[in-house]
Amino acid sequence: DAGVTQSPTHLIKTRGQQVTLRCSPKSGHDTVSWYQQALGQGPQFIFQYYEEEERQRGNFPDRFSGHQFPNYSSELNVNALLLGDSALYLCASSRKGAPGTGELFFGEGSRLTVL
Amino acid sequence: RKEVEQDPGPFNVPEGATVAFNCTYSNSASQSFFWYRQDCRKEPKLLMSVYSSGNEDGRFTAQLNRASQYISLLIRDSKLSDSATYLCVVTLNAGGTSYGKLTFGQGTILTVHP
Repeated sequence: DAGVTQSPTHLIKTRGQQVTLRCSPKSGHDTVSWYQQALGQGPQFIFQYYEEEERQRGNFPDRFSGHQFPNYSSELNVNALLLGDSALYLCASSRKGAPGTGELFFGEGSRLTVL
Repeated sequence: RKEVEQDPGPFNVPEGATVAFNCTYSNSASQSFFWYRQDCRKEPKLLMSVYSSGNEDGRFTAQLNRASQYISLLIRDSKLSDSATYLCVVTLNAGGTSYGKLTFGQGTILTVHP
């Protein structure tokens, strides 16, 4: 049973560029959330997708956008990259309808460095 | 004020020691509480849920004080393998179901040495 998989694992971009990160959820999961984790900080919620729609959004600018596909996989896009976007981007999957659950299953993340 | 605050540490303790971590949260509407563990350069993983009555899982005990908006984690008989970052996490329920948004604290670094 494959867990949450993310790609790429590492990437380097320059300021102003655009990046796309990809995520496949754990088998049986239909909801995908994206988190940004800066060095020395806890993960910060970016947004969540369910049924191919953005359902909740954290305090991130419109440069951060996403998509969910019919097979539940998801992409995170960041435009006009800033140095401050350098972070570990974590994808987490869950199954809707599990009230109050805190068990998100995280992928190992995509480490983005912006130069 | 941060939504979830933790002492970042680091905590350096010898094997066998007892160590306690504290966490406070600002939103009194928070409904569910958890501790996650994150090993160096790895993803966070659920350690345990936290209930008002307190709960225990082996060497780990978690406590919640809703009145004080305070959460704690106690680790007894520390092992080398307990070395990790411990993340305090809260959620808000919307309409009775969780959409999975978690609010994380900064994390507390624990190093257990021989």
